[in-house]
Amino acid sequence: EAGVAQSPRYKIIEKRQSVAFWCNPISGHATLYWYQQILGQGPKLLIQFQNNGVVDDSQLPKDRFSAERLKGVDSTLKIQPAKLEDSAVYLCASRRGNEQYFGPGTRLTVT
Amino acid sequence: GEDVEQSLFLSVREGDSSVINCTYTDSSSTYLYWYKQEPGAGLQLLTYIFSNMDMKQDQRLTVLLNKKDKHLSLRIADTQTGDSAIYFCGDGGSTLGRLYFGRGTQLTVWP
Repeated sequence: EAGVAQSPRYKIIEKRQSVAFWCNPISGHATLYWYQQILGQGPKLLIQFQNNGVVDDSQLPKDRFSAERLKGVDSTLKIQPAKLEDSAVYLCASRRGNEQYFGPGTRLTVT
Repeated sequence: GEDVEQSLFLSVREGDSSVINCTYTDSSSTYLYWYKQEPGAGLQLLTYIFSNMDMKQDQRLTVLLNKKDKHLSLRIADTQTGDSAIYFCGDGGSTLGRLYFGRGTQLTVWP
């Protein structure tokens, strides 16, 4: 089966600009996650969806980050406006049963 | 929140066994995971263990869980240069949802 797909793979923007990331989970996976991985650290959860509903967004900086999952399949994560400290890899994951699978990530550099 | 600790670096010679250690704080954790991350890639699920098990073996991988001490280890037998990567311990918490990760252990395998 195809894995979790993400695009773009790399993005460079200036601070105060906006950016959007896209994720397509593994077919049939109802649960989708967005994680932020800062260099040298482990991934940290930003938001969790069950189908098209938000389960946990307690760690999402809602003044600048937003996410949606239309029709319970694809998801987009947006940052507006970006700050220097948003430079990180943004990982999308989907879950089936006890197993959580990650996409390749989008590396964001904010200059 | 949950805290996961790992040593940052491990170096071994090709053909030797590697042991990567992890401690966690949540005594109600149900599942514990090991992921591998190669440069520029997402996290690859290696194996996981249910909290009522002490050990799980999967080909060259052996997971040991000491629930009393909240200690998890991953043993890689006959380590190869292709095993060089960052290994993350993931704590699934008390409900099947988000994962809490340590900072990862950089494994370097010398030929």
